[in-house]
Amino acid sequence: QQKVQQSPESLSVPEGGMASLNCTSSDRNFQYFWWYRQHSGEGPKALMSIFSDGDKKEGRFTAHLNKASLHVSLHIRDSQPSDSALYFCAASEQGGNNRIFFGDGTQLVVKP
Amino acid sequence: DPKIIQKPKYLVAVTGSEKILICEQYLGHNAMYWYRQSAKKPLEFMFSYSYQKLMDNQTASSRFQPQSSKKNHLDLQITALKPDDSATYFCASSQERQSYEQYFGPGTRLTVL
Repeated sequence: QQKVQQSPESLSVPEGGMASLNCTSSDRNFQYFWWYRQHSGEGPKALMSIFSDGDKKEGRFTAHLNKASLHVSLHIRDSQPSDSALYFCAASEQGGNNRIFFGDGTQLVVKP
Repeated sequence: DPKIIQKPKYLVAVTGSEKILICEQYLGHNAMYWYRQSAKKPLEFMFSYSYQKLMDNQTASSRFQPQSSKKNHLDLQITALKPDDSATYFCASSQERQSYEQYFGPGTRLTVL
């Protein structure tokens, strides 16, 4: 069973709009959460980390974590065409062997 | 300067052959990983190494063998190649802590004919 599940699979928003990506996990041992972004032809790159309940804002990007419901989200305001990419939610446990579990990704397209 | 080098960028192989994918990282990290990405599986974890020792192996096939000759190297040997092995293979590295992000290389795109 996939430990990290993302929705939607794909998302299209107009330039300047708000994009909302969702992620739920099935493992209550997960303590650390990330959003990774992958542009076409490149490797994934960490966009934001969030380890505590609540919101974390970095520029146009806001991540929200609710550990009780095992839910994490990413909101991108004022979306730009350069935000078009594949976004992965990722999570890991405290302790363990460094493994990060990735979701299947959300393909975001921002239309000019 | 690229911090994680993967060679080659593109690789074409024939079914049944053997290839080695090269990965070197210059981030001073002690943990290294291999992932595979294809249309079937967006990002599939394969192996993790810490201080040159295998920590986790999620690859069912023994045809995939990681090789760590140096602390900052983790190559991937693939034998008896099959068309289903066609994918982009990413190497990644991190500090050896659960709270640290992983840094990915640019990938090697493998096509098996």
